[in-house]
Amino acid sequence: DAGVIQSPRHEVTEMGQEVTLRCKPISGHDYLFWYRQTMMRGLELLIYFNNNVPIDDSGMPEDRFSAKMPNASFSTLKIQPSEPRDSAVYFCASIKEGSEAFFGQGTRLTVV
Amino acid sequence: RKEVEQDPGPFNVPEGATVAFNCTYSNSASQSFFWYRQDCRKEPKLLMSVYSSGNEDGRFTAQLNRASQYISLLIRDSKLSDSATYLCVVNPGGSQGNLIFGKGTKLSVKP
Repeated sequence: DAGVIQSPRHEVTEMGQEVTLRCKPISGHDYLFWYRQTMMRGLELLIYFNNNVPIDDSGMPEDRFSAKMPNASFSTLKIQPSEPRDSAVYFCASIKEGSEAFFGQGTRLTVV
Repeated sequence: RKEVEQDPGPFNVPEGATVAFNCTYSNSASQSFFWYRQDCRKEPKLLMSVYSSGNEDGRFTAQLNRASQYISLLIRDSKLSDSATYLCVVNPGGSQGNLIFGKGTKLSVKP
């Protein structure tokens, strides 16, 4: 398996634009997580899914953020409108129950 | 009290030194515990799970103290390649999800 695949790897966008981050989890994994990492706040859980169903979205900072998982092999994290304070590295991770969490390589987002 | 707390460091040590990191967690019902390693500009990767009885993997030893709610990681005979950020991770229980990460402890091993 190629592991967790995220795209794009880097995104630079202007304030106010919509940003969509994509994630393909490892096949057969039943949990998917979205994290955000900054120097100040470390790694923060935004939302996670179990069998494509959102379980806990309490970490989503505000209504500008939304996440979907239309099927077992794909998830998106959308920010609309984006703001400079959203600049961070966004990681997607997946777990098969009983195993470790595997992370994608992350998307480095810069909002100018 | 934060859910998972770690000393951010940095820990600057010479090659061959022994270094220990501690991590405290606030939820006494937490079920499982891990140490992850994150290299600069890379994703976190599992270093080792932490078991109640303590466990060892080569130069690395992890211990759990449930009474005091802390986890430790000991690295013996440190190598230059051990330079990274070490993340303490706690699963508070209830489901496989909801992993809580500490902010990490940065280790720099110097020649």
